[in-house]
Amino acid sequence: GAVVSQHPSWVICKSGTSVKIECRSLDFQATTMFWYRQFPKQSLMLMATSNEGSKATYEQGVEKDKFLINHASLTLSTLTVTSAHPEDSSFYICSAGQGGSEQYFGPGTRLTVT
Amino acid sequence: GENVEQHPSTLSVQEGDSAVIKCTYSDSASNYFPWYKQELGKGPQLIIDIRSNVGEKKDQRIAVTLNKTAKHFSLHITETQPEDSAVYFCAARQTGNQFYFGTGTSLTVIP
Repeated sequence: GAVVSQHPSWVICKSGTSVKIECRSLDFQATTMFWYRQFPKQSLMLMATSNEGSKATYEQGVEKDKFLINHASLTLSTLTVTSAHPEDSSFYICSAGQGGSEQYFGPGTRLTVT
Repeated sequence: GENVEQHPSTLSVQEGDSAVIKCTYSDSASNYFPWYKQELGKGPQLIIDIRSNVGEKKDQRIAVTLNKTAKHFSLHITETQPEDSAVYFCAARQTGNQFYFGTGTSLTVIP
C-alpha cells in the first residue's frame, strides 16, 4: 500500500512553454501533498504544501505564479511550471500523506528545458 | 525552524560490514523521524521510521535509535549488501508541520 505515482517520469520542453506534472496517490486518499525540487547530489527542497480544496502554501523564495499547484481531489495534485526556462530544469518529486506522520514519495519527474 | 544535520556525507563499507549514519535535530518539538533511501533517478523510499516515544526500532537488517535528550538519531544497517548502495536521507517532523531533511549520505557497499 501507500503508492504514489508521478507522470510524466521525464519531460523535455522548449524555453517559454509550460509543463504539467501529475502526482497521484494510488491506494489512499491524500489530505496533504508536498512538492519538492532536488538538484544533483543535494537534498530535497520543499517548494509548497497543498491541501485538497485549498490554495497551496509556498515556501519562501518559490514563485507561486511560476509554479502553479492544484490539489483538485484527494488523490491528485498537479504542478505546472509556467514559461519554463533552462534554470527550471531539475528533478521534481511529490509526496503524499494520509493524515498521519508518514509521507510517501513519488518516483520523481526529470524536467529538462532547452 | 528545525535544523537537521546529517553525517557523514559519504560512507564506504565492505560487504558484510555495518554502516551507521547519524543525524541531529534542533527542535525538541519534533516527534517523528523517518529515514529514506534514494536510488539514482528515483524518488526517496521510506525504509524505517521512529517516533519520539520510542528509543529503538528494528526491521531485519535495519535499525534506528533515538536519543531525545541529545536530539540525535541514527540509522544502523548490518550485514550490508551491494544493493544497499544508495543515498540515505534522515528527516524530522513535528505533527502537522513540514518535514526537514538532512543533507544526505551516499553509501557505497564494496563487494
